Amino acid sequence: GEDVEQSLFLSVREGDSSVINCTYTDSSSTYLYWYKQEPGAGLQLLTYIFSNMDMKQDQRLTVLLNKKDKHLSLRIADTQTGDSAIYFCAVPRAGGYQKVTFGIGTKLQVIP
Amino acid sequence: GAVVSQHPSRVICKSGTSVKIECRSLDFQATTMFWYRQFPKQSLMLMATSNEGSKATYEQGVEKDKFLINHASLTLSTLTVTSAHPEDSSFYICSAQGEGSTDTQYFGPGTRLTVL
Repeated sequence: GEDVEQSLFLSVREGDSSVINCTYTDSSSTYLYWYKQEPGAGLQLLTYIFSNMDMKQDQRLTVLLNKKDKHLSLRIADTQTGDSAIYFCAVPRAGGYQKVTFGIGTKLQVIP
Repeated sequence: GAVVSQHPSRVICKSGTSVKIECRSLDFQATTMFWYRQFPKQSLMLMATSNEGSKATYEQGVEKDKFLINHASLTLSTLTVTSAHPEDSSFYICSAQGEGSTDTQYFGPGTRLTVL
């Protein structure tokens, strides 16, 4: 099955950039996603990237995809305290485009 | 757009009772809905996939007779935890996927179930 790995924790100072990394094993050639989860809440779709792209920028968010190395990253510029949350990458399962596998989530702590 | 609601947000029940959780797509038609379970400080575990008008497909290790899923319309899916036990206590999250090229799943806010 699909394995998706993320580091558990990242701490940055307010105003700095945050980079959250994700590696995966297999994936079908569709979209890869980043979700944000605040305490006690569901998941909010942040952004996604199509697998034939290597970069996508959306305001403060930049997604980089290295398909050869199966590495996905999310960069948050000018990180704010409101960005403190858990960030999940989600990768489609091979052979089943509807289902995705989630990483364990990276807890981002923003220090004022 | 793409709003998904869940009800209730929190429920406490006694052991042995059944609990129903509703998942609704408010502004789009969801051809597929997913039910996840999330343990504290862990990722989401897919329990089952449901398509409107057909039986749900359960992931390996998930008891279909314990977690009953009904997807009666394109905007509503329900998860019923039957004969709940304390080990069923968890955060249950649904997601809905509409027709479209991105196959994006939109998530509900989750339901915290506590079984006493």
